[in-house]
Amino acid sequence: DTGVSQNPRHKITKRGQNVTFRCDPISEHNRLYWYRQTLGQGPEFLTYFQNEAQLEKSRLLSDRFSAERPKGSFSTLEIQRTEQGDSAMYLCASSVGTTPSTDTQYFGPGTRLTVL
Amino acid sequence: AQSVSQHNHHVILSEAASLELGCNYSYGGTVNLFWYVQYPGQHLQLLLKYFSGDPLVKGIKGFEAEFIKSKFSFNLRKPSVQWSDTAEYFCAVRGGADGLTFGKGTHLIIQP
Repeated sequence: DTGVSQNPRHKITKRGQNVTFRCDPISEHNRLYWYRQTLGQGPEFLTYFQNEAQLEKSRLLSDRFSAERPKGSFSTLEIQRTEQGDSAMYLCASSVGTTPSTDTQYFGPGTRLTVL
Repeated sequence: AQSVSQHNHHVILSEAASLELGCNYSYGGTVNLFWYVQYPGQHLQLLLKYFSGDPLVKGIKGFEAEFIKSKFSFNLRKPSVQWSDTAEYFCAVRGGADGLTFGKGTHLIIQP
């Protein structure tokens, strides 16, 4: 399978715990995006990387959230001190191209987080 | 900030009926427009996209969409739906920011 992969697919945690998700983009895709989707809503943009540089962050990305893409390949999204409101599907997407305005994002299956 | 409005949250049609799902966006500048589909148990897949040129774009599985700039709309159409089209459909726009802004989605159910 050469699509975007995400691990784990499901995560259940207790409030206050830290969690980390991983996203592996399509090979040679230089851009990687994180979104969050709650029930009955469309995905909401969180942040994105071009290679290893984090270029844009949504105001949805509170101080408890941090994302990295250290070598410009896979990315991790960490949530510290989880809250029940963090329960959602976390989606990763990747794209390739010289500018974001001409590329197409391909989505992974997501990681479903449940905070008890 | 840009936003996307999908007017129909739930649509139920019979097989062979024609489909039109509405999508309006708010952003005054140049936009890229997308329709994504999520089949039951599967991840988001690109259905079609508009960047520039011919405002009538064709996608996979017989879907098409028309960009009407004066109406800020990008409605999705299919002349004859099939049971396998049952899915969640999301309209998305990319305007001033590089991340996509999605609508809330339309849950389409096709009855055999």
